[in-house]
Amino acid sequence: DAKTTQPPSMDCAEGRAANLPCNHSTISGNEYVYWYRQIHSQGPQYIIHGLKNNETNEMASLIITEDRKSSTLILPHATLRDTAVYYCIVRAITGTASKLTFGTGTRLQVTL
Amino acid sequence: DAGITQSPRHKVTETGTPVTLRCHQTENHRYMYWYRQDPGHGLRLIHYSYGVKDTDKGEVSDGYSVSRSKTEDFLLTLESATSSQTSVYFCAISGRQGAAEAFFGQGTRLTVV
Repeated sequence: DAKTTQPPSMDCAEGRAANLPCNHSTISGNEYVYWYRQIHSQGPQYIIHGLKNNETNEMASLIITEDRKSSTLILPHATLRDTAVYYCIVRAITGTASKLTFGTGTRLQVTL
Repeated sequence: DAGITQSPRHKVTETGTPVTLRCHQTENHRYMYWYRQDPGHGLRLIHYSYGVKDTDKGEVSDGYSVSRSKTEDFLLTLESATSSQTSVYFCAISGRQGAAEAFFGQGTRLTVV
């Protein structure tokens, strides 16, 4: 699975959009981009994933560049409850088993 | 929450003793994973399973073994616990190959003294 690079930490004011970047310059054509988050000491929570088109769900939007070498997770109106560590992961869709390999993520702090 | 239960949730054990952690799912998902999480390291994959009796190693498998005799249960065993295995352990499940998202359990906090 391709490696990802994320900033270690970011701040965002409550009510503003949080834009979390991820670089995955070695991504292969058969790899999806996934985002998870981990709030305090809970288990990670799935947010969204995509292959090459932009995606949106009730939690967030995912913007993937045309060359697929980077992506941005957007939380449109961040709240204090969005304070968490956010993980960007690339994962192959073929093979015997789909490993899910985490990096160290971005710690997002949402403030009043 | 997806139907994943980890047991025990907390355990303190002595160095050199065997320990087994259990992950139980009610989703009939094919894939199951064990991770450990330590400060400064994020989540690291220990072992994973892609079906009954089908398992493979992750990046930090030394000192750990796993078994999956039924779809719903994935056991992680520390044959002889060491202090370096003090960690929080997470189990995850995934429904199918490809694009399926993974769901995580609430974690087991293991302390080896």
